[in-house]
Amino acid sequence: DVKVTQSSRYLVKRTGEKVFLECVQDMDHENMFWYRQDPGLGLRLIYFSYDVKMKEKGDIPEGYSVSREKKERFSLILESASTNQTSMYLCATTRGLTYEQYFGPGTRLTVT
Amino acid sequence: DQQVKQNSPSLSVQEGRISILNCDYTNSMFDYFLWYKKYPAEGPTFLISISSIKDKNEDGRFTVFLNKSAKHLSLHIVPSQPGDSAVYFCAASYGGATNKLIFGTGTLLAVQP
Repeated sequence: DVKVTQSSRYLVKRTGEKVFLECVQDMDHENMFWYRQDPGLGLRLIYFSYDVKMKEKGDIPEGYSVSREKKERFSLILESASTNQTSMYLCATTRGLTYEQYFGPGTRLTVT
Repeated sequence: DQQVKQNSPSLSVQEGRISILNCDYTNSMFDYFLWYKKYPAEGPTFLISISSIKDKNEDGRFTVFLNKSAKHLSLHIVPSQPGDSAVYFCAASYGGATNKLIFGTGTLLAVQP
């Protein structure tokens, strides 16, 4: 079974803080994704990576950056957290050219 | 611009009856479609998928239908069970090197005992 873990289930941060969300997978998958889920908006892609040190912007990259130094680990960084970044953040992985994505449990981030 | 739309935010069904969840898309280049199920405080889990070369795919109680001319897909759950109560997301992809998925906004299904 694919296991995707996220560093925190719940996180509360203050406006302006730098926030790190980490995702780790144990199945040697090439592709990793970061989404945010908001009511009425579904899942929206922030960034994705198809190899170590490679990254591409998704649909809503503004205010975020990512880092992938090792194949199993994909970090999402909020350089200066704002209240409109309060959301559920979900990490996902896939192998190669397969479509099915495996998701982590999510991190509920609240920015006050 | 929402390329994948789920126009019903919620659906309530009696246990044992059929649940039909709908999804519309606008991009004719999509070649693969998936349904995910999500419980509160958990990540989405893959349910069933269909390639654009097919019009139906079944897996146990779950069947996905694809109508390419109408750019419409639907998920049928028969019979519905209380454990099916969750948010259902449809997703679409036009493949390529990275297989990005475009997700719909989700439908909350409540199956009443």
